[in-house]
Amino acid sequence: DSGVTQTPKHLITATGQRVTLRCSPRSGDLSVYWYQQSLDQGLQFLIQYYNGEERAKGNILERFSAQQFPDLHSELNLSSLELGDSALYFCASSVVADNTYEQYFGPGTRLTVT
Amino acid sequence: AQSVTQLDSHVSVSEGTPVLLRCNYSSSYSPSLFWYVQHPNKGLQLLLKYTSAATLVKGINGFEAEFKKSETSFHLTKPSAHMSDAAEYFCVVSDLGSGYALNFGKGTSLLVTP
Repeated sequence: DSGVTQTPKHLITATGQRVTLRCSPRSGDLSVYWYQQSLDQGLQFLIQYYNGEERAKGNILERFSAQQFPDLHSELNLSSLELGDSALYFCASSVVADNTYEQYFGPGTRLTVT
Repeated sequence: AQSVTQLDSHVSVSEGTPVLLRCNYSSSYSPSLFWYVQHPNKGLQLLLKYTSAATLVKGINGFEAEFKKSETSFHLTKPSAHMSDAAEYFCVVSDLGSGYALNFGKGTSLLVTP
């Protein structure tokens, strides 16, 4: 158990809908990362927050957005969902913003868009 | 631009025999390199990391990797495979050019046979 929690574990929704994925980092970790894992794209970095501020952006679509709240939990919002958004979404956390430090991954949220 | 290539998508070994998972990278900066493991239906776990210290890096569960700048490689090895090593392994590169975002390889699926 990494100490990172993600909810929900599974999510099934229809095209065009909007969903919110939630992540609680390990106690004491200030940095939160979001990743998408799909069969065709592999594992891709989406976005990083550090202590409430956006720190780095990867291959995140404009339909997707994220935020980190004062209690350090983070939410990833996915809107106008398409079939291709079906994937496993991971959240990870680390103590600092420096990516040379270990990131601890949550168990993921499996999103299925029908 | 930075990239990472895992040379084998699948590797099969017998229990008790050595493991070699190959990874090549490219980076215009001094990279940080990682190996992560993902067991079925689990999140990712850091095996080991290289961040410009010793070129031979020892990780958890008997794994190690050697950073070879001249060959731009960071191959993962283990002297003797165990059944519990069966998993997906990801080579990851991070550098200044990418804002230190983690760039994952496509993964190598390790099968361990009795």
